[in-house]
Amino acid sequence: NAGVTQTPKFQVLKTGQSMTLQCAQDMNHNSMYWYRQDPGMGLRLIYYSASEGTTDKGEVPNGYNVSRLNKREFSLRLESAAPSQTSVYFCASSRWTSGQETQYFGPGTRLLVL
Amino acid sequence: GIQVEQSPPDLILQEGANSTLRCNFSDSVNNLQWFHQNPWGQLINLFYIPSGTKQNGRLSATTVATERYSLLYISSSQTTDSGVYFCAVEGSNYKLTFGKGTLLTVNP
Repeated sequence: NAGVTQTPKFQVLKTGQSMTLQCAQDMNHNSMYWYRQDPGMGLRLIYYSASEGTTDKGEVPNGYNVSRLNKREFSLRLESAAPSQTSVYFCASSRWTSGQETQYFGPGTRLLVL
Repeated sequence: GIQVEQSPPDLILQEGANSTLRCNFSDSVNNLQWFHQNPWGQLINLFYIPSGTKQNGRLSATTVATERYSLLYISSSQTTDSGVYFCAVEGSNYKLTFGKGTLLTVNP
């Protein structure tokens, strides 16, 4: 059981380049999330997917797109990277059991945009 | 949107000491969770606690929803407790909002 996996672990982009961050979970969770974490700040929600086939904007969606490819996979795409998108990106999935939620996080992707 | 404030921002302890971390939030919540981010960046869910009290080993948490705050207690701290502790709340928009965290350093 690998939990939540993310690729790549680290990436350097030039301004204007595009890339896709991949996320997969093997826990059969319905809900998946993308967050970004900047120095000295908590995590901010970019997009989430409550179930396969649905996505919705979070707090900071501008400059990003997402795809919920199937129940396991939720990808985040930067179409034209900007230095302001330099951050650590975390994917998470969650389950509800006995009326309480537990979110499970991937190891993160460190992105540097020059 | 809902505001989340955590205090203190930084805390340094000697191994064996106890500590209390606080999370204040600006509106009623459906969901409140505490997370620990270790020094290598891994995030772990500690508690789901929109109200009441829970305990898990040396850690316990209490949320007083009517007064809009939650407390995380760490007893007999260990160096492995070091890291950042985040409180996250979900308000009427059904999305988790994180506080800025408390950076805990436990010295041997």
